[in-house]
Amino acid sequence: NAGVTQTPKFQVLKTGQSMTLQCAQDMNHEYMSWYRQDPGMGLRLIHYSVGAGITDQGEVPNGYNVSRSTTEDFPLRLLSAAPSQTSVYFCASSPGGGGTYEQYFGPGTRLTVT
Amino acid sequence: GQQVMQIPQYQHVQEGEDFTTYCNSSTTLSNIQWYKQRPGGHPVFLIQLVKSGEVKKQKRLTFQFGEAKKNSSLHITATQTTDVGTYFCAGQWGKLVFGAGTILRVKS
Repeated sequence: NAGVTQTPKFQVLKTGQSMTLQCAQDMNHEYMSWYRQDPGMGLRLIHYSVGAGITDQGEVPNGYNVSRSTTEDFPLRLLSAAPSQTSVYFCASSPGGGGTYEQYFGPGTRLTVT
Repeated sequence: GQQVMQIPQYQHVQEGEDFTTYCNSSTTLSNIQWYKQRPGGHPVFLIQLVKSGEVKKQKRLTFQFGEAKKNSSLHITATQTTDVGTYFCAGQWGKLVFGAGTILRVKS
């Protein structure tokens, strides 16, 4: 099992550009989520999904879009990148939602917006 | 919204010393999880506490959940250089809310 995979590992964008961060898991987990990690602020939830076709907003959803067409994939789209979106992005999956189960994190994508 | 406060923000210890990080919430938690993130790595699940007053041990790590289910702690006995990293607690209120983390540095 590869677990949770994320691409790319590093990305530099210019302000206003759009891009998609990819996330995939091969554990047949229903619950997937996206977090951003900034120094001194822990992990903040951006969007999450409790199953294919179902998504919902987390704590900091503005400027991001998600979709979940399959159980395996949960891409995160930045619509118009801003310097405030410079961060490390982690995708996570778990067998169920609500924080009842351990979360498996991907290796992360380090994004810089200039 | 719900928040989890974690202290200290940073701790630098001599190898062999003990280390403790604390997690506090103003409201009752359903459960609490602890994660470790090595420098440059991703968070890795350590443990989940569910019951009031629960204490769990993993080798040199001891995890406690308060009687009121509003606070938790992680204690490491006799730290080693392999313990370096950031330790996060995450409280559950339907969704997981992470604390800001405690960065542990160990001097050998």
